[in-house]
Amino acid sequence: SQKIEQNSEALNIQEGKTATLTCNYTNYSPAYLQWYRQDPGRGPVFLLLIRENEKEKRKERLKVTFDTTLKQSLFHITASQPADSATYLCALVNAGNMLTFGGGTRLMVKP
Amino acid sequence: DTAVSQTPKYLVTQMGNDKSIKCEQNLGHDTMYWYKQDSKKFLKIMFSYNNKELIINETVPNRFSPKSPDKAHLNLHINSLELGDSAVYFCASSQDDPQRGLFFGPGTRLTVL
Repeated sequence: SQKIEQNSEALNIQEGKTATLTCNYTNYSPAYLQWYRQDPGRGPVFLLLIRENEKEKRKERLKVTFDTTLKQSLFHITASQPADSATYLCALVNAGNMLTFGGGTRLMVKP
Repeated sequence: DTAVSQTPKYLVTQMGNDKSIKCEQNLGHDTMYWYKQDSKKFLKIMFSYNNKELIINETVPNRFSPKSPDKAHLNLHINSLELGDSAVYFCASSQDDPQRGLFFGPGTRLTVL
């Protein structure tokens, strides 16, 4: 069966450090992968999309990599700030052409 | 200015009741969705709908039914509510091009007593 796995344990880092979150998937051949941010009590907000033929994509302090051989995407936030604290979700299109989300990883950036 | 709106934000009801959650988007998107987020924060797709096709996640009970009066609205109707239906329900919309991702509403917290 198709699975999208993200580390369910919270990631705690110090302000100014780089946060790295992992998204692993099995039984998918995705054309693209998306990352979202979700704050408590709110809906997810789209951050970035990376296509299967792209190894890396950047947007301001965000960087996403996509390794279709390893079936893994890494999401980096450089120079992290307390305001970056949130849950980050990766998402893939499944066989039914619907976007399916991983369980998310909660990031806590301490000042 | 709200892109995707949902009402109500909170819904508390008794088991066995029938309820509806309304969703509207003013983005001109062609496709709308309903997602369920349970207590463990897993976000699960329930339905995907555009003016051509309704795609239903096979795990969704048929007590749940989406109703779309027009392209900008996709309401969720739930019959015979059960305790396990308690969750946060998110509406979302998107263009056909996935480049911009999904736009989510603020969510409706449903509590079934």
